[in-house]
Amino acid sequence: EVQLVQSGAEVKKPGESLKISCKASGYRFTSYWIGWVRQMPGKGLEWMGITYPGASDTRYSPSFQGQVTISADKSIDTAYLQWSSLKASDTAMYYCTRQHGDDYAPAHWGQGTRVTVSS
Amino acid sequence: QSALTQPASVSGSPGQSITISCTGTRSDVGGYNFVSWFQQHSGRAPKFMIYDVSNRPSGVSNRFSGSKSGNTASLTISGLQAEDEADYYCSSYTSNSTLGIYVFGSGTKVTVL
Repeated sequence: EVQLVQSGAEVKKPGESLKISCKASGYRFTSYWIGWVRQMPGKGLEWMGITYPGASDTRYSPSFQGQVTISADKSIDTAYLQWSSLKASDTAMYYCTRQHGDDYAPAHWGQGTRVTVSS
Repeated sequence: QSALTQPASVSGSPGQSITISCTGTRSDVGGYNFVSWFQQHSGRAPKFMIYDVSNRPSGVSNRFSGSKSGNTASLTISGLQAEDEADYYCSSYTSNSTLGIYVFGSGTKVTVL
């Protein structure tokens, strides 16, 4: 069974850095794209980007390019989403997703990590 | 503003059928059979309901079906049940580089009357 277990909720101040994680199990980590989806409070889903651990290939939505970094450590089957300088507008729920296949559809979802950025 | 347009809300009575539309362009919905649908109950993570326009993952009820015509995809829920009340999102691969490689719809709130 595919499982994606995300790190816990975070409360940060504007300007601080943050790295959240997603531990994958139940499949070969290096064989599937893994990515992140943002959901701001009361809003819809936004595709942020994906990475392919088996080839160190990462692709971003233009809306998030340069704003976040997506990475993966295949030695511990874990994906990451990080910010170097948080803004209040980064306040949201972030979901880790494992893609279905070449269609890039997010077939499996983590439980979500709530990030709150407030002074 | 989302790349794929969905109605904000759709409602129906128990037992009825409802259809949610998802309109895109030739660069996404119309150009590829890579449309998916997701169900999200309040406070929960989304659930993968349909992939490649009309395929259901294992465990998803056959009351849910997907189709596509031109630049518009559709999700039909037949035999509507109280548990179907949720938000529904379509999504698609896109070749429009200004959008990235994958986009979601704006979301539709389904209410069971």
